Amino acid sequence: YELTQPPSVSVSPGQTASITCSGDKLGDKYVCWYQQKPGQSPILVIYQDTKRPLGIPERFSGSNSGNTATLTISGTQAMDEADYYCQAWDSSRVFGGGTKLTVL
Amino acid sequence: EVQLLESGGGLVQPGGSLRLSCAASESTFSSYAMNWVRQGPGKGLEWVSGIVISGGSTNYADSVKGRFTISRDNAKNTLYLQMTSLRAEDTAVYYCVGSNDAFDIWGQGTMVTVSS
Repeated sequence: YELTQPPSVSVSPGQTASITCSGDKLGDKYVCWYQQKPGQSPILVIYQDTKRPLGIPERFSGSNSGNTATLTISGTQAMDEADYYCQAWDSSRVFGGGTKLTVL
Repeated sequence: EVQLLESGGGLVQPGGSLRLSCAASESTFSSYAMNWVRQGPGKGLEWVSGIVISGGSTNYADSVKGRFTISRDNAKNTLYLQMTSLRAEDTAVYYCVGSNDAFDIWGQGTMVTVSS
């Protein structure tokens, strides 16, 4: 099973960033999203398509339907600049290739 | 919240073996399924292996099946990864990850370099 993400996304501070993740019938699976900043371990930002772990800001949200899941960051801040990975929560535990979010 | 600390990484020759360990800070370790995830230099994340809470079931990525063995000792709050027949493409940072509904808790990672 493969998940496809755009290699890079750019957004201006305060604007909305959308990062997509595509896979066959992805909407039938739960999707998780992870944020990884340079030199740091990944952290979970979205699980079960739409849920935010404790401590994750409300500006992070997720959706999943059909063949595409989307991570949306509203009011993007400079601190949100990072690599983002989607993951299908099934037996394969496969990750997408990652998207570098640039805030400029 | 439980914290995870990996150890055992290092430089090993192709064909060699290495054993990684992951020590958890508290006994809630035994309430998490556990995984190893790796990240090659400049590359993305790759799930390597997982083990259920009891240790009674394990699974592996095709890329490591037959070469790596995951195990856990809940009495010692420790996860292991025995790696054999190592290849250059196994070079990566290896993360220990606790999971319930997602990969909830990540360690800081340990570097494994396979090179002659």
